[in-house]
Amino acid sequence: GENVEQHPSTLSVQEGDSAVIKCTYSDSASNYFPWYKQELGKGPQLIIDIRSNVGEKKDQRIAVTLNKTAKHFSLHITETQPEDSAVYFCAASPMDTGRRALTFGSGTRLQVQP
Amino acid sequence: DTGVSQDPRHKITKRGQNVTFRCDPISEHNRLYWYRQTLGQGPEFLTYFQNEAQLEKSRLLSDRFSAERPKGSFSTLEIQRTEQGDSAMYLCASSLLNFILESDRRTTDTQYFGPGTRLTVL
Repeated sequence: GENVEQHPSTLSVQEGDSAVIKCTYSDSASNYFPWYKQELGKGPQLIIDIRSNVGEKKDQRIAVTLNKTAKHFSLHITETQPEDSAVYFCAASPMDTGRRALTFGSGTRLQVQP
Repeated sequence: DTGVSQDPRHKITKRGQNVTFRCDPISEHNRLYWYRQTLGQGPEFLTYFQNEAQLEKSRLLSDRFSAERPKGSFSTLEIQRTEQGDSAMYLCASSLLNFILESDRRTTDTQYFGPGTRLTVL
């Protein structure tokens, strides 16, 4: 089955700096890669997703890049703000094979220092 | 509020008791998923439904666990004879299956999560 590894497990940045979180996956059939933000006591909230037919996607301060050959994808947050502090999870899924389960990474705790 | 809702938000029970959780998906979403999340880990897939049909089950879903979605709307997850190892956050997500283009049959199936039910087994 799919295995997703996520690094780093914790990340501390100064407000206004950029943050990068990296994930690798093992199943070459995976073609859908969402990123979720989870705040304490809440469920994961989708912040951006990418399909394998594109290499990069941006939404304001958030961008995701995908390298299918190397089987890794990354989340980039620019101009970080204190409200970006949360746990971020990457996930992968073979969306078009009939399997629908998302396989999640172990999470990155991002702390943005004011 | 039109998001995924879950009830109860917290449940404390004694080992050996049965518990049942409810999930109400986003209106008109035809897919519903259950995940389990333990402290410091990412969510782990348990099972999913398309309408009322349960289409996939994880090996994590032991025979003490049963999930239903009788009318294709809300779903329940029951755990029988709870064990301390069942203590976790149980998350529900829903999605609406859409084909991006009929000709190439690619799909979008974005999953939106509820707030979760935190189970503590004493």
